[in-house]
Amino acid sequence: SQQGEEDPQALSIQEGENATMNCSYKTSINNLQWYRQNSGRGLVHLILIRSNEREKHSGRLRVTLDTSKKSSSLLITASRAADTASYFCATGAMDSSYKLIFGSGTRLLVRP
Amino acid sequence: GAVVSQHPSRVICKSGTSVKIECRSLDFQATTMFWYRQFPKKSLMLMATSNEGSKATYEQGVEKDKFLINHASLTLSTLTVTSAHPEDSSFYICSARRPTLNTEAFFGQGTRLTVV
Repeated sequence: SQQGEEDPQALSIQEGENATMNCSYKTSINNLQWYRQNSGRGLVHLILIRSNEREKHSGRLRVTLDTSKKSSSLLITASRAADTASYFCATGAMDSSYKLIFGSGTRLLVRP
Repeated sequence: GAVVSQHPSRVICKSGTSVKIECRSLDFQATTMFWYRQFPKKSLMLMATSNEGSKATYEQGVEKDKFLINHASLTLSTLTVTSAHPEDSSFYICSARRPTLNTEAFFGQGTRLTVV
């Protein structure tokens, strides 16, 4: 099962620019998380925002959460070529299963 | 270092054979682990939740007899793709989370399965 959609599906920017990715989901959640995946590799956790939080920062990352709209955004500021990867949002279910359901992902290309 | 170790990273097998993929939680006891499947340039699709000491919980549309999951210890879950066919070729990833709300998941490196 897949929770929702991310947009854009692909994003190409110049190094130094900001990148914004959006995520929408369908059900009630405990938290929303963002992960990064380099091609053909496992996922790396970036940031977690709880359902009662609206904004969170971590280094060059800024995440917002709007539970009324069931949406989240990830902003990467001052992008670097090394930020090139796929980015996924994932929602933590309200039940006790602890499972994460992933969005469709955004492929980010940062051109040097 | 890695918190979750997955092995093998790549495997090629012949149609009709079975392949076992191991997922180990190195840093904590994982009563629950998760198996995902990922097609090229696509998202991760949750296949099943592996429960230590009990049966796995499969997502809708996932064949239990095709994808056998065993979680015999608190640190090891295995996924066996039985009677593999070319359409089973994919990237399989496992993950583990501490059994607490609002915690991150740790992922294995993934296994690229190619069935020829």
